[in-house]
Amino acid sequence: EVQLVQSGAEVKKPGESLKISCQASGYSFTTYWIGWVRQTPEKGLEWMAMIYPGDSDTRFSPSFEGQVTLSGDKSVNTVFLQWNSLKASDTAMYFCARRIFSSAGDYFDFWGQGTLITVSS
Amino acid sequence: ETVLTQSPGTLSLSPGERATLSCRASQSISRSSLAWYQQKPGQGPRLLIYGASTRATGVPDRFSGSGSGTDFTLTISRLESEDFAVYYCQHYYTSHYGTSRFTFGPGTKVDIK
Repeated sequence: EVQLVQSGAEVKKPGESLKISCQASGYSFTTYWIGWVRQTPEKGLEWMAMIYPGDSDTRFSPSFEGQVTLSGDKSVNTVFLQWNSLKASDTAMYFCARRIFSSAGDYFDFWGQGTLITVSS
Repeated sequence: ETVLTQSPGTLSLSPGERATLSCRASQSISRSSLAWYQQKPGQGPRLLIYGASTRATGVPDRFSGSGSGTDFTLTISRLESEDFAVYYCQHYYTSHYGTSRFTFGPGTKVDIK
């Protein structure tokens, strides 16, 4: 059974750093892209970036490039989303999701449960 | 960038009724690039439809997708209690320069009348 399990909720102050995780199981971790999606009441669902764990290749939405870092650890089937300096505007729910890329379509077939990040002084 | 617009914003229906949800793209897109998701409170989105009309594994056949060009539709033939949720359409785009991007519509909430 494919599962993506995300790390727990975090409360941080502006300027602090943070790294959240998404651990995959039930499939070949290195052969599927994993994407990150931000959700806020104001902007809805926004695709941020994705990583290919096989070679750590990454792709970013222009809106998020330079704002976050992606990484992966094949030994524990886990990908990470990292901020060096959080802002209040980073307050949101963050989802990881497995990407399917085929002639039949390009979409996310399994999603994590979400990680709520609250940034407040 | 292709912008997705969904209508209506909220759809109030009773169990057993038919739900018709619209997703309109700001320019013509390929059917293969359009997907639909369902999201319930406190959960991540669930894939329902990809390639505009192919049901994902395990999705009941009361869910169907259709459309082409700029106009796409998700239909729920007979609403069941577990179908009351928010529904999003999603488009995948690759530019001439190889830039990848996913965009989502703002969602349609289907609630109980």
